Amino acid sequence: AQKITQTQPGMFVQEKEAVTLDCTYDTSDPSYGLFWYKQPSSGEMIFLIYQGSYDQQNATEGRYSLNFQKARKSANLVISASQLGDSAMYFCAMRDTGSQGNLIFGKGTKLSVKP
Amino acid sequence: DARVTQTPRHKVTEMGQEVTMRCQPILGHNTVFWYRQTMMQGLELLAYFRNRAPLDDSGMPKDRFSAEMPDATLATLKIQPSEPRDSAVYFCASGLGRDNEQFFGPGTRLTVL
Repeated sequence: AQKITQTQPGMFVQEKEAVTLDCTYDTSDPSYGLFWYKQPSSGEMIFLIYQGSYDQQNATEGRYSLNFQKARKSANLVISASQLGDSAMYFCAMRDTGSQGNLIFGKGTKLSVKP
Repeated sequence: DARVTQTPRHKVTEMGQEVTMRCQPILGHNTVFWYRQTMMQGLELLAYFRNRAPLDDSGMPKDRFSAEMPDATLATLKIQPSEPRDSAVYFCASGLGRDNEQFFGPGTRLTVL
């Protein structure tokens, strides 16, 4: 069965510094997709970044980058130059392309950015 | 600015009452998902549709939950009768096909007393 593990319930980072949020996954399917979502205190789920299992390069979107290490089955999110508005819950999710498209989510990491 | 919309945003009801949550997916999206978020279980898939056809609703308690898409612009999730353990945030998400990102609505926060 597919599984997503986020081992950091909470993280603190100083404003303007970089932070890495960990995510490991487990799947037996060779083809899959990995996602990160942000959930601020207002509650909405905001899509941040996507990495396909066959993508040759690590995904980047502005200040977000995904450190994809396939052999280790890890897909860590790196946020550069943290801002106060980055304080939120962050969820890693996986889609097994053998499925119909639904996502399996980790338990999340609560990031707090300190001024 | 295309967004998934959900109504109501908040709902407080008493045990045994019927609850209907509505979702309007982004125009042109052909997949719709319903997720439930609780502190204990995190985010769980309840049901999803492609081209309005239900593909999987194995995450739903069948005796009380039902999900439908009467047309391409409306998805509904009903709970009848509601129970306190149904208290959660219910998210609707839509996407273009199976392999693309899903865009979430703001959620419906349901409290069953």
